[in-house]
Amino acid sequence: AQTVTQSQPEMSVQEAETVTLSCTYDTSESDYYLFWYKQPPSRQMILVIRQEAYKQQNATENRFSVNFQKAAKSFSLKISDSQLGDAAMYFCAYRSEFLGGSNYKLTFGKGTLLTVNP
Amino acid sequence: DVKVTQSSRYLVKRTGEKVFLECVQDMDHENMFWYRQDPGLGLRLIYFSYDVKMKEKGDIPEGYSVSREKKERFSLILESASTNQTSMYLCASSSGQGGDEQYFGPGTRLTVT
Repeated sequence: AQTVTQSQPEMSVQEAETVTLSCTYDTSESDYYLFWYKQPPSRQMILVIRQEAYKQQNATENRFSVNFQKAAKSFSLKISDSQLGDAAMYFCAYRSEFLGGSNYKLTFGKGTLLTVNP
Repeated sequence: DVKVTQSSRYLVKRTGEKVFLECVQDMDHENMFWYRQDPGLGLRLIYFSYDVKMKEKGDIPEGYSVSREKKERFSLILESASTNQTSMYLCASSSGQGGDEQYFGPGTRLTVT
């Protein structure tokens, strides 16, 4: 079974600075997807960024980028120019590439609570 | 935009009551999921459904059941609520195609007293 580990329960960053959230995972599969989700206080969980394991290029979405190290099974999220609106719980998640049955499900880490200081 | 709605944001029930949590999605998604979220434990999958009337147990199905009679609606049922089922419950849906993301509802915070 796959596992996802987020080793930082809480992080803080100054507004306009850069912060990196860590995520490691364990799997025996070679093809899969990795996700970062953001859950702002009292608001819905939304997708931040997605990475396909077969792609060597790291995904980027505006101020959010990932450092995907497949051999090390590491998938960190970098937030540049942090804004107050980035304050949220961030979850790393894994999904198998193979469709069908239980492979549709996401396996989540326990989350990292990010605080942005003005 | 995909919209996933849940019937209640907050719910207070008594021990032993039967509880229904409803989830509706409007994007014709094949897959629907129920998670519970607890501090320090992240999200844990209770049940999911990949087709109408099809369901599979997730990681923590004990004490719960589900129903999916229509594609857009997925219900979570607590047959006899207990205090250890006090939690945030999140519903999600996905298309089931490729690297599809899951879209989440706003959550239902259930308190069982």
